[in-house]
Amino acid sequence: DIQLTQSPSSVSASVGDRVTITCRASQVISSWLAWYQQKPGKAPKLLVYAASTLQSGVPSRFSASESGTDFTLTITSLQPEDFATYYCQQTKSFPLTFGGGTKVEIK
Amino acid sequence: QLQLQESGPGLVKPSETLSLTCTVSGGSITSSNYYWGWIRQPPGKGLEWIASVYYSGSSYYNPSLKSRLSISVDTSKNQFSLKLRSVTAADTSVYFCARQSTKENSLDPWGQGTLVTVSS
Repeated sequence: DIQLTQSPSSVSASVGDRVTITCRASQVISSWLAWYQQKPGKAPKLLVYAASTLQSGVPSRFSASESGTDFTLTITSLQPEDFATYYCQQTKSFPLTFGGGTKVEIK
Repeated sequence: QLQLQESGPGLVKPSETLSLTCTVSGGSITSSNYYWGWIRQPPGKGLEWIASVYYSGSSYYNPSLKSRLSISVDTSKNQFSLKLRSVTAADTSVYFCARQSTKENSLDPWGQGTLVTVSS
């Protein structure tokens, strides 16, 4: 199985800050990675697929990139509605696997 | 707009079978572009993919659950279902259903989720 390691597990930030979340895959997965946002009591929401393609309707302050087996999700100018938990998911092969999550908290 | 809705008992006794159904509305479950998947999340923890099924019935299972799992699709009702046998307290989770792209394997949209508690 492909393991995904997210870091940090939590981050405290203020409105307007830039936040970067990293996801490292245990093997080469090319661009087969998705990012999700989950708010308390809600289902996850797809933000990014194919490592860097924003899902329709996702604000442009979100961006994502890849470098080898390292993937990053960046939120520029954090907004109040962005405080949530973020998960990466490898989409290369079954079994699908998720990272452990990164909670973005209000500082 | 495609919507998914999970349904099933919220309480299951240990050693019994957990059965959930996901009803798809606003689109057809027979689309060739999608699988239909189940994902779970124990309270306060992360996400675990359980299984995915194509409208033809071909399926993929999480190896860690495969021996207890079965997933099926009912195209006449636009539904797909999950059965997990011999449950324990460790199976207590919010269970989500979701549409999975066959091209990208990303999951979108998701149902709202349903909490299933395993307890006597």
